[in-house]
Amino acid sequence: DIQMTQSPSSVSASVGDRVTITCRASQPLSSWLAWYQQKPGKAPHLLSSTTSSLQSGVPSRFSASGSGTDFTLTISNLQPEDFATYYCQQAHSFPLTFGGGTKVEIK
Amino acid sequence: QVQLVQSGAEVKKPGASVKLSCKSSGYRFTSYTIHWVRQAPGQRLEWMGWINPGNGNTKYSEKLQDRVTISRDTSASTVYMEMSSLRSEDTALYYCARDRPYSAGWYNSFDIWGQGTMVSVSS
Repeated sequence: DIQMTQSPSSVSASVGDRVTITCRASQPLSSWLAWYQQKPGKAPHLLSSTTSSLQSGVPSRFSASGSGTDFTLTISNLQPEDFATYYCQQAHSFPLTFGGGTKVEIK
Repeated sequence: QVQLVQSGAEVKKPGASVKLSCKSSGYRFTSYTIHWVRQAPGQRLEWMGWINPGNGNTKYSEKLQDRVTISRDTSASTVYMEMSSLRSEDTALYYCARDRPYSAGWYNSFDIWGQGTMVSVSS
């Protein structure tokens, strides 16, 4: 199975800050790495299904990059609605696997 | 609108079975695959398996394949996930989620999620 390691596990930030979340895969994924946002009590919400391809409707302050084994999700100009937990998920091969999550908290 | 609506919470004893449902609406049921993903308290999301409602093909996590069966009823636009021999470690929030096709296959990521079904396993 492909192991997904996300860092940091949590980050405290203020509105307007730039936050970068990293995800490392144990095997190369090409660009098959998805990112999700999850708010308490809600299902995950897809932000991007492959690196550098944001889903329709996702604000442009979100950006996804990387290929191979190292990937990043960057949130520029953090907004109040962005405080949530973010997960990466490899979409390269079965079984599909997720990172451990990064909680973005208000400083 | 496009949505997946899941069945209600379940409380089961160890060794029992549970069957969850996931009803699709707002899109062509047979054109998208449905996956099941669970989230145990304090644990990462875990992929369980998927079904192609168009042809009934399934694929399961090796860890769970002996205990999980995913099926569909095309007339009801509904997918089911049955898990047997429940253990306390199966206590989790279970989600169904939709994948969509692209020119060369499936994205293997999930653009629409159900609201989740809580399954509690306790003696």
